[in-house]
Amino acid sequence: ETGVTQTPRHLVMGMTNKKSLKCEQHLGHNAMYWYKQSAKKPLELMFVYNFKEQTENNSVPSRFSPECPNSSHLFLHLHTLQPEDSALYLCASSAPGQGTDTQYFGPGTRLTVL
Amino acid sequence: AQSVTQPDIHITVSEGASLELRCNYSYGATPYLFWYVQSPGQGLQLLLKYFSGDTLVQGIKGFEAEFKRSQSSFNLRKPSVHWSDAAEYFCAVGADNDYKLSFGAGTTVTVRA
Repeated sequence: ETGVTQTPRHLVMGMTNKKSLKCEQHLGHNAMYWYKQSAKKPLELMFVYNFKEQTENNSVPSRFSPECPNSSHLFLHLHTLQPEDSALYLCASSAPGQGTDTQYFGPGTRLTVL
Repeated sequence: AQSVTQPDIHITVSEGASLELRCNYSYGATPYLFWYVQSPGQGLQLLLKYFSGDTLVQGIKGFEAEFKRSQSSFNLRKPSVHWSDAAEYFCAVGADNDYKLSFGAGTTVTVRA
């Protein structure tokens, strides 16, 4: 596969469930991002990892827990979510160290919290 | 911090007609500017970007954008729209040596036959 892949594409979960979103990039990039996209709102940056180290946590609630085991994989662990967390979660990657570089996005995971 | 405004929430255009999407940014220095497109159920695809040099930038799918520093704008244009251009379009701005991008709220484009 090429580019940025995300699994699952769709996820429905109850508020007491624990689930994880997975992102994998095949671009040789060193930085990975999680964004939240809600209807008619700008993309919200959640987390940034650069060379596997978390460099940004944009005041995200602790019910969202990221994990970056290597530069190619990024996870978002979810637990005790709220209905307002329903959204499209997008993963992106880029190759920093070259100024402001282009971010490449995955197709997203559509999350519904019941 | 940088920010982006996309004044038009929704635009409807006839197939074959021209399209222009507005983007205004706020940033004190030379910005890094991007346009992305998102089809329903998909992620964001890069259309074009401006870092420096020629202020008229050509992108994929026949799109172009022009950077106008005096107006703090980076409007996206296409001379003749196809039905497949129906999507949501996002403008984004970044700062030098800063990996973070600020996105606008998006403009939804509907193409009528």
